[in-house]
Amino acid sequence: GDSVTQMEGPVTLSEEAFLTINCTYTATGYPSLFWYVQYPGEGLQLLLKATKADDKGSNKGFEATYRKETTSFHLEKGSVQVSDSAVYFCALRVSPGGGADGLTFGKGTHLIIQP
Amino acid sequence: SQTIHQWPATLVQPVGSPLSLECTVEGTSNPNLYWYRQAAGRGLQLLFYSVGIGQISSEVPQNLSASRPQDRQFILSSKKLLLSDSGFYLCAWSSTHLIYNEQFFGPGTRLTVL
Repeated sequence: GDSVTQMEGPVTLSEEAFLTINCTYTATGYPSLFWYVQYPGEGLQLLLKATKADDKGSNKGFEATYRKETTSFHLEKGSVQVSDSAVYFCALRVSPGGGADGLTFGKGTHLIIQP
Repeated sequence: SQTIHQWPATLVQPVGSPLSLECTVEGTSNPNLYWYRQAAGRGLQLLFYSVGIGQISSEVPQNLSASRPQDRQFILSSKKLLLSDSGFYLCAWSSTHLIYNEQFFGPGTRLTVL
């Protein structure tokens, strides 16, 4: 079946450090890939997405590139802020557009940014 | 714009009691709807999804059930809660349009079963 693997953390960095959160996947078809962010006590917010190989998703200074050859979708940010502290989830979906099946999530990476 | 609501925000229930969590979506029609559970230290698990009124698909057999009485309303229920039902329950929706395949999540309900 489909699966997503990501480092669970916690990952602790200092403000303005460079961030990489690794995400690799296995999929039975051609997946769309997503990064979601969850702030404490809240639901998940879509951070960025990529729907085909070599696509780069970007938002709020974060970016991730869909690498089909390495089945990866690593999240990066050049300079993190304290406000980036949250749990980050990598996810995939293998279905035709409009399909109703759910997302397959990784277990989440807890990111802590210290001032 | 579309919004998704869940209530209650938090709930503490004794073992064996019933459960009803509600989710509603505004600003879209005929959405796909989902219930996920996030248990402590674990990822998100898809529980149910629905493509239309009265149409429910279950992903994991358990003592929970779901219903969709209206186009934009999705309800998660249980007749008798177990300790293992504790967790953070998230409702989500997605569009049936071809080019949209991401899901949008509600604020969640924190359920504690004692």
